[in-house]
Amino acid sequence: QKEVEQNSGPLSVPEGAIASLNCTYSDRVSQSFFWYRQYSGKSPELIMSIYSNGDKEDGRFTAQLNKASQYVSLLIRDSQPSDSATYLCAVDRDDKIIFGKGTRLHILP
Amino acid sequence: GAGVSQSPSNKVTEKGKDVELRCDPISGHTALYWYRQSLGQGLEFLIYFQGNSAPDKSGLPSDRFSAERTGGSVSTLTIQRTQQEDSAVYLCASSLVPPGSGEDTQYFGPGTRLTVL
Repeated sequence: QKEVEQNSGPLSVPEGAIASLNCTYSDRVSQSFFWYRQYSGKSPELIMSIYSNGDKEDGRFTAQLNKASQYVSLLIRDSQPSDSATYLCAVDRDDKIIFGKGTRLHILP
Repeated sequence: GAGVSQSPSNKVTEKGKDVELRCDPISGHTALYWYRQSLGQGLEFLIYFQGNSAPDKSGLPSDRFSAERTGGSVSTLTIQRTQQEDSAVYLCASSLVPPGSGEDTQYFGPGTRLTVL
């Protein structure tokens, strides 16, 4: 099993709808979880960090963490064309942050 | 500075030459990371520094790659005898605290695009 797994996509979502991005991880002792957005040709930028089970909301973004099931998700409400990007899930393991390969999200105008 | 800076932004070199990439982290950030990202691929972890020491060098792809950090700040990644497969964007990131410590968010620099001809 890969350490951090994401569906590569592309995930196509109509403008205004909810985009749901999922990530599973293999190390049960991981404590820190991150979602990054990366536009083509640009560096990753932090969207959300989450450390405790449950939901964390920030504007149109909600991160959900379930440590028992070892998954973390990102919901984007009222999706906008500017949300079209690759979303990277990252999880801490030992002394590293491990990144998934990312999910390409395409918001359809 | 306000963010992580990297130089050069672009580097074109000939196969067999050595290159040095520089990263200047956010002031006060103790942890510094190097990643490599090939076109259309995910982030490949290379090395992590906590202060000046590198507890984890497992990601360096070969002995042609080395990195150092001095004064707990600037880091350089050196690639000797470059090969075409080394062509990628090399990203540096820094965080306030070590990974797994909470509030260990990594902030990325703009990257160095390396092209080996």
